[in-house]
Amino acid sequence: KAGVTQTPRYLIKTRGQQVTLSCSPISGHRSVSWYQQTPGQGLQFLFEYFSETQRNKGNFPGRFSGRQFSNSRSEMNVSTLELGDSALYLCASSLTPGRDEKLFFGSGTQLSVL
Amino acid sequence: GESVGLHLPTLSVQEGDNSIINCAYSNSASDYFIWYKQESGKGPQFIIDIRSNMDKRQGQRVTVLLNKTVKHLSLQIAATQPGDSAVYFCADVFSGSARQLTFGSGTQLTVLP
Repeated sequence: KAGVTQTPRYLIKTRGQQVTLSCSPISGHRSVSWYQQTPGQGLQFLFEYFSETQRNKGNFPGRFSGRQFSNSRSEMNVSTLELGDSALYLCASSLTPGRDEKLFFGSGTQLSVL
Repeated sequence: GESVGLHLPTLSVQEGDNSIINCAYSNSASDYFIWYKQESGKGPQFIIDIRSNMDKRQGQRVTVLLNKTVKHLSLQIAATQPGDSAVYFCADVFSGSARQLTFGSGTQLTVLP
């Protein structure tokens, strides 16, 4: 069974641009969460989607958005990139958004903003 | 805000010794805790979890201890192996909330030959 797949693996953008990251969950998993990982702030929750609906959102500005498609694949978008958006963006999937459901993480997309 | 923190950023142990990684949490409403392992270039990998109605849970070579009185949990790794070298994170989930993991800052475990 394939794991969580994130594309691209690496991305370099400049300030002011926008970026779209993609996540394909494990087959059968319907819940997708996104996390930002930086050396200074650690792992921080961005948002979670289930059945194409955002269920929960972390404390990030509106420049960060996401969506989920009917096949459970998810994308996140960051507009008007800032230097501080440089981070590893991790996607995680689970069967459902149940609190005790185990999260399976992808290897992430490393975003560098120059 | 609430935070889950780790006491030590780095830990070095000899191969074959036991490792103990500590974590403090601040939200008394947290009722579910998870330990993750993250190897270089990979995403976090689930190790073991524990609910607040338990104080100990054992897995394969790993044990998690939870002390709700002092809001502390620990991860014990028995007979540490080179493959255990990684960053270890604890995370908690607030009771009654939609799932939103709050991660600690992580401890880098290095296993010495």
